Amino acid sequence: DGGITQSPKYLFRKEGQNVTLSCEQNLNHDAMYWYRQDPGQGLRLIYYSQIVNDFQKGDIAEGYSVSREKKESFPLTVTSAQKNPTAFYLCASNRGGPSTEPQHFGDGTRLSIL
Amino acid sequence: GQQLNQSPQSMFIQEGEDVSMNCTSSSIFNTWLWYKQEPGEGPVLLIALYKAGELTSNGRLTAQFGITRKDSFLNISASIPSDVGIYFCAGPQGGKLIFGQGTELSVKP
Repeated sequence: DGGITQSPKYLFRKEGQNVTLSCEQNLNHDAMYWYRQDPGQGLRLIYYSQIVNDFQKGDIAEGYSVSREKKESFPLTVTSAQKNPTAFYLCASNRGGPSTEPQHFGDGTRLSIL
Repeated sequence: GQQLNQSPQSMFIQEGEDVSMNCTSSSIFNTWLWYKQEPGEGPVLLIALYKAGELTSNGRLTAQFGITRKDSFLNISASIPSDVGIYFCAGPQGGKLIFGQGTELSVKP
């Protein structure tokens, strides 16, 4: 089945620790996205990548980093500089091109602070 | 930044009732997308609208692209318990997708 796989489902971070969230897609999509979701709020864009080896900051990039070394993979690192990392993180992808192209989402990773 | 305003924020209805929710913006959109998110999962695309005035159905769901291009509506007919979830509208702005805050739907059997 084609789709987007996020792992792990649940993740716990200690103070001062960096953690990396995995996102893999086998849809042959060019573009990939990371969103943060907090209770009662819409999705906020962290980073996005339209092609391999290139990515741009979204609206809330501070305290996060990404890489795009392969078309199918777009890992997100939550660094110790992100002081309020507890949230539900969603990865999405689409074929890229016009922004009217709908995005398809993974099932998310819930990050909590220990 | 640009925001999409969804209303109502939450709804508690009886099984079998019809549901209406809407999404408004202060600026024009060329596309409206409606997603549903169930607890602990990612959003799933329900309906995509690309033309002002367009009315599109997906089973018991019907969505409309407002004539002014600043709003969109989603209706669910004869609700069932599995309709429970958060419904998000979204639209592209500046090369990115902007999301509303969501409408949380609860259905009582």
